[in-house]
Amino acid sequence: DQQVKQNSPSLSVQEGRISILNCDYTNSMFDYFLWYKKYPAEGPTFLISISSIKDKNEDGRFTVFLNKSAKHLSLHIVPSQPGDSAVYFCAASYTGRRALTFGSGTRLQVQP
Amino acid sequence: EAGVAQSPRYKIIEKRQSVAFWCNPISGHATLYWYQQILGQGPKLLIQFQNNGVVDDSQLPKDRFSAERLKGVDSTLKIQPAKLEDSAVYLCASSSFGQGGETQYFGPGTRLLVL
Repeated sequence: DQQVKQNSPSLSVQEGRISILNCDYTNSMFDYFLWYKKYPAEGPTFLISISSIKDKNEDGRFTVFLNKSAKHLSLHIVPSQPGDSAVYFCAASYTGRRALTFGSGTRLQVQP
Repeated sequence: EAGVAQSPRYKIIEKRQSVAFWCNPISGHATLYWYQQILGQGPKLLIQFQNNGVVDDSQLPKDRFSAERLKGVDSTLKIQPAKLEDSAVYLCASSSFGQGGETQYFGPGTRLLVL
C-alpha cells in the first residue's frame, strides 16, 4: 500500500519557466509534509516543508501548496534553473510516527 | 555545522557474507533513522532510535539485520548474512524538531552491492 504517490516519474522544463511537481497521499493522519532533492551519489537534501495547519509555505524560489481535502501537495519552483535538475521526493509523517513515508520520486530536468 | 556522516560510501560483498555500516548524526540530534533505498524507489524506514532506545523497528528484517546505537550517538547497522535483494543504498538520518514538525537530515548513504 503506497501511502505517498508521485505519479510523474519525470518532468522536463525550460530554464526560467515554472516547474510543478505533484504528490498525492492517502493517509489522513499525515500532518507534516516535506520535499527533498537528491543528486546522484548523494543523500536527500531537505528543501522545504509544510504543516497541515497551513496551505502554503514559501522559501525563495520554492513554494509548497497543500490541499488537505484533495490529499494533494505540490512544489513550485520559479524560475527553474539548470542546477535544479535532480530527483525530488515528497515525504510525509504524523504525530506518533515521525519516520518519513516517501514517494517514489520525480526526476526534474531543467533545459538551458 | 557538520552534517550526518556515514561510512563506507560503497561496499561490494558476496551473498551470505556480513557487512556493517556506520553513522554519526548531527551533534545534538537525539533521533536517528536508518532507511533502505532500492533503485527507483523512495527510502523506506528500517529502524528509528531515540537516544539509545529503539522506537520503531517494525520493518527491520530481524532474521538478518541488526542495529545498535550505543551511548545515544553513533550507530551501526549490520546485515548477516546478506542476500542479493539487500543491494540498495542505506541512508542514515538524524532529526531536529522545529515549527510544525520534525525535519530529518540525511547522510550521503552507503551503496551496497551484493553479488
